[in-house]
Amino acid sequence: QVQLQQSGPGLVKPSQTLSLTCAISGDDVSSNSAAWNWVRQPPSRGLEWLGRTYYRSKWYTDYAVSVTSRIAIKPDTSKNQFSLQLSSVTPDDTALYYCTKGGWSGFDTWGQGTLVTVSS
Amino acid sequence: QSALTQPPSVSGSPGQSVTISCTGTSSDVGNYNRVSWYQQPPGTAPKLMIYDVSNRPSGVPDRFSGSKSGNTASLTISGLQAEDEADYYCLSYTSSNTFVFGGGTKLTVL
Repeated sequence: QVQLQQSGPGLVKPSQTLSLTCAISGDDVSSNSAAWNWVRQPPSRGLEWLGRTYYRSKWYTDYAVSVTSRIAIKPDTSKNQFSLQLSSVTPDDTALYYCTKGGWSGFDTWGQGTLVTVSS
Repeated sequence: QSALTQPPSVSGSPGQSVTISCTGTSSDVGNYNRVSWYQQPPGTAPKLMIYDVSNRPSGVPDRFSGSKSGNTASLTISGLQAEDEADYYCLSYTSSNTFVFGGGTKLTVL
């Protein structure tokens, strides 16, 4: 059974970089059949896909247009995890952030969620 | 990429059926059979209920079914139960090699 365990700070100052990590158990970040995504949900609002990384003989990343200039999603094969970095954050980036496992068909495994508040 | 269009809310009585629509464009829902649906009760992480338009993961009751016609996908819940009360989201793969969620629908069981 695949499990995803998120970690990272819950408070980030405006203009700084938000950094979260998702540790994978029961699967391999380098799997040729999985993709590793980040999704966020602002308070009392809907879900927003942010981006993903996946390995198909080489590493690929795809990002949502809304954050493409500020985001980086990176795998860490030595620790079997992947990370999210979102730079130049504003209060609009305050949200519950989820890491998820899923390919093109759907996202079948979700982390526990991390509430990140952007505030000075 | 604009969010897919879902009705903000739907409701039904126990035992009835409800359908939630998810409308996109020919660049997402209409061009790919890569639509999935998620159930999110308050305070919990989303749960995959339907993948690839109409397939149910193991453990999801067969009361949940999915379909698609043109640019609109639909989730139907038959034999409505109190435990089905939650927010529901659709998700589609897009021609930009990205994904887009619907705005979400709140299901109330009367």
